[in-house]
Amino acid sequence: AQSVTQLGSHVSVSEGALVLLRCNYSSSVPPYLFWYVQYPNQGLQLLLKYTSAATLVKGINGFEAEFKKSETSFHLTKPSAHMSDAAEYFCAVEYPNNNDMRFGAGTRLTVKP
Amino acid sequence: DTGVSQNPRHKITKRGQNVTFRCDPISEHNRLYWYRQTLGQGPEFLTYFQNEAQLEKSRLLSDRFSAERPKGSFSTLEIQRTEQGDSAMYLCASSSWTGGDTIYFGEGSWLTVV
Repeated sequence: AQSVTQLGSHVSVSEGALVLLRCNYSSSVPPYLFWYVQYPNQGLQLLLKYTSAATLVKGINGFEAEFKKSETSFHLTKPSAHMSDAAEYFCAVEYPNNNDMRFGAGTRLTVKP
Repeated sequence: DTGVSQNPRHKITKRGQNVTFRCDPISEHNRLYWYRQTLGQGPEFLTYFQNEAQLEKSRLLSDRFSAERPKGSFSTLEIQRTEQGDSAMYLCASSSWTGGDTIYFGEGSWLTVV
């Protein structure tokens, strides 16, 4: 069964520091991978996605993620955290010929002044 | 393009009552999804439609849940005989036909069963 694991339910960084949110997936075939962000009491907004093109994907708000097949990972990074980045981040996987998207449990990012 | 619209945004109901949520997807999107999200968890897949056909249902979708998309446009999710465990946010999303296409989410409908 397809699944996605986010390591660390809470991550805290200082403003200006590197953000690294981890995501690993289980798969025997290359999936489509997504990162979504959710602000309080709101729906999910797409940050970026990987669909078998370039392995380094750039998204909105300065975020990027790299697909590493050998590590079955799709970690999300941002060089310099901003206070407005504080939110819940979800990694998601969708498999070719499958019809739904599966989400990780989420990582709550806190940014300290 | 007004995005995915859900209503009501918030619903408080007594246990045992029926509730219905409506979702209007992005126009021309063939696929429509329903997810459930509880506090501290990621969204859990419930069901999805391709046009008016309901093609997949999660085992999370008990007999008390029913979803429809009668004309391939808007969709409704009805929960009958609500239980306290049904309290959650119900998210609707839509996408185009192509696999790997972005799934766009609505703001969600919060359900509280008291």
